[in-house]
Amino acid sequence: DAGVTQSPTHLIKTRGQHVTLRCSPISGHKSVSWYQQVLGQGPQFIFQYYEKEERGRGNFPDRFSARQFPNYSSELNVNALLLGDSALYLCASSFLGNTEAFFGQGTRLTVV
Amino acid sequence: AQSVTQLDSHVSVSEGTPVLLRCNYSSSYSPSLFWYVQHPNKGLQLLLKYTSAATLVKGINGFEAEFKKSETSFHLTKPSAHMSDAAEYFCVVSENTGRRALTFGSGTRLQVQP
Repeated sequence: DAGVTQSPTHLIKTRGQHVTLRCSPISGHKSVSWYQQVLGQGPQFIFQYYEKEERGRGNFPDRFSARQFPNYSSELNVNALLLGDSALYLCASSFLGNTEAFFGQGTRLTVV
Repeated sequence: AQSVTQLDSHVSVSEGTPVLLRCNYSSSYSPSLFWYVQHPNKGLQLLLKYTSAATLVKGINGFEAEFKKSETSFHLTKPSAHMSDAAEYFCVVSENTGRRALTFGSGTRLQVQP
């Protein structure tokens, strides 16, 4: 079975641009969460979606937004990119919102 | 509110010797606790989890952890380190409420010397 898949794996953006990151959960999983991992730190919670509804939001500015589609895949959008947004963005899926989370390989975003 | 403190940022052991990675947590509710491992340029892999069942939890690759409520600790151990264990390890807490956001510690980098 395929695990959590994220695309793209790497990308480079310029300050002020917009970026969209994509995540496909494990088949049958209805919950997707997004995390930001800055180099040398542990991942920080950004969003959780369950059944296409936002169930939780971390301490991130409104430049960050996300959505979940009927097939349970998800997009994370970041507007007006800053240098500090450079990080590994991880997607995790779980069957319900409160069960074991499985992580994808992440998208490495570099803002220059 | 919940938080996790990993007491060592780096741990170095010799191959074949025991591993101890220390973790203390804080939680307003009865927590679920996890250990994840991250190898270079890889995603996060679940090693083991505690969800209010047995306090001694066994995971993959010979790792285990003991939940001690009185000490608010969840230390990760392995009797004998292998070179392939070299990686970053994260202790994680999740409160058993409606939102299951994971709160990660800052990580412990494990080095295994030959």
